Amino acid sequence: KNQVEQSPQSLIILEGKNCTLQCNYTVSPFSNLRWYKQDTGRGPVSLTIMTFSENTKSNGRYTATLDADTKQSSLHITASQLSDSASYICVVRLTGANNLFFGTGTRLTVIP
Amino acid sequence: NAGVTQTPKFRVLKTGQSMTLLCAQDMNHEYMYWYRQDPGMGLRLIHYSVGEGTTAKGEVPDGYNVSRLKKQNFLLGLESAAPSQTSVYFCASSYSGSATEQYFGPGTRLTVT
Repeated sequence: KNQVEQSPQSLIILEGKNCTLQCNYTVSPFSNLRWYKQDTGRGPVSLTIMTFSENTKSNGRYTATLDADTKQSSLHITASQLSDSASYICVVRLTGANNLFFGTGTRLTVIP
Repeated sequence: NAGVTQTPKFRVLKTGQSMTLLCAQDMNHEYMYWYRQDPGMGLRLIHYSVGEGTTAKGEVPDGYNVSRLKKQNFLLGLESAAPSQTSVYFCASSYSGSATEQYFGPGTRLTVT
């Protein structure tokens, strides 16, 4: 069964600290993996997208890694800011189809 | 560019009522999607369209209909609303269906009583 699981479900960190969010997937055949940021009451906004051959991609303070062999991805946030408080969603695309599989997200709260 | 816009932002319906959610995009994207987001669950695809005049079912299409009469608009209809359709609905669009990212609208919060 194609699934995307994220951990932790929620996380609280102090402003300025780093954190890492995890995504494990069983989607196969795999096409690409995306990380989205969703602020409360807003639609998701893309942070990174990685294909099978890419194992790391950065977008400012956000760095995503991908291990296609173990089917794991992580999103590392450096020097967190209050504006990083949001849900972070891992999304995996099936090859050759329009199917996207969404994780349930990690709710990150950054406190001063 | 406004990107992807959705109307209305909020709506309360009574069971059995009907309504249409409108999605518009100004990026000349071919692909458009309707998702629903429920607490504790990932976004689930309701219907999608790969071009003007085409529609296809997603993961949870029952109780919904869609139309794509114009490239920039994608309408989601509920003919007879049920409490199980209480959710936040997101529209998205993309240039193509493969590696390109999807751009999401701000969402419509629908409550069916």
